[in-house]
Amino acid sequence: GAGVSQSPRYKVTKRGQDVALRCDPISGHVSLYWYRQALGQGPEFLTYFNYEAQQDKSGLPNDRFSAERPEGSISTLTIQRTEQRDSAMYRCASSLFSGDRVNGYTFGSGTRLTVV
Amino acid sequence: QKEVEQNSGPLSVPEGAIASLNCTYSDRGSQSFFWYRQYSGKSPELIMFIYSNGDKEDGRFTAQLNKASQYVSLLIRDSQPSDSATYLCAVKTGSQGNLIFGKGTKLSVKP
Repeated sequence: GAGVSQSPRYKVTKRGQDVALRCDPISGHVSLYWYRQALGQGPEFLTYFNYEAQQDKSGLPNDRFSAERPEGSISTLTIQRTEQRDSAMYRCASSLFSGDRVNGYTFGSGTRLTVV
Repeated sequence: QKEVEQNSGPLSVPEGAIASLNCTYSDRGSQSFFWYRQYSGKSPELIMFIYSNGDKEDGRFTAQLNKASQYVSLLIRDSQPSDSATYLCAVKTGSQGNLIFGKGTKLSVKP
């Protein structure tokens, strides 16, 4: 697609429910990244993929968080048993390849998750 | 723990002035440095990258890098009200891998 597409744009869920956030990167982009951004803060790294391989998941806060990119394109970030502290903007970004300095990352519009 | 530090601001400058935004990083192995601009309620967008010591100019923007001091800055000349945004410094260690972002500096350019 023309840009990085994330869905849903907004998600309100009850504490304890599971949620799945979707990211569709720019067509042909090898690398896909998940970040979380709290209000007034910079993006906080969660995990990233090259093609379908998860390269680094060191930023995932705990084992309730997982991500996959099974066919090397669309990715899903899943949060199980959501807690109020999970409320944040979840941002996906993609790049042509992980060492691409010229073009950097292109971010999606994000999914605003609210856990009530 | 790899850290990127920025003054959160707000930094307020009059229209037409030079805005100077600063960033320090902890990992000496860092190789590439990026500046992103984020308007309120929007996604970050890339302004510039730099990877060699010295200055790099692009229009009204100049990025400066000093690896010995682990310091990177962004100068915005002839600041405009449309430059009012949060500026995020981001650092990449090595040729692969993810970016580490600072908390951002909020810039306000007053007409």
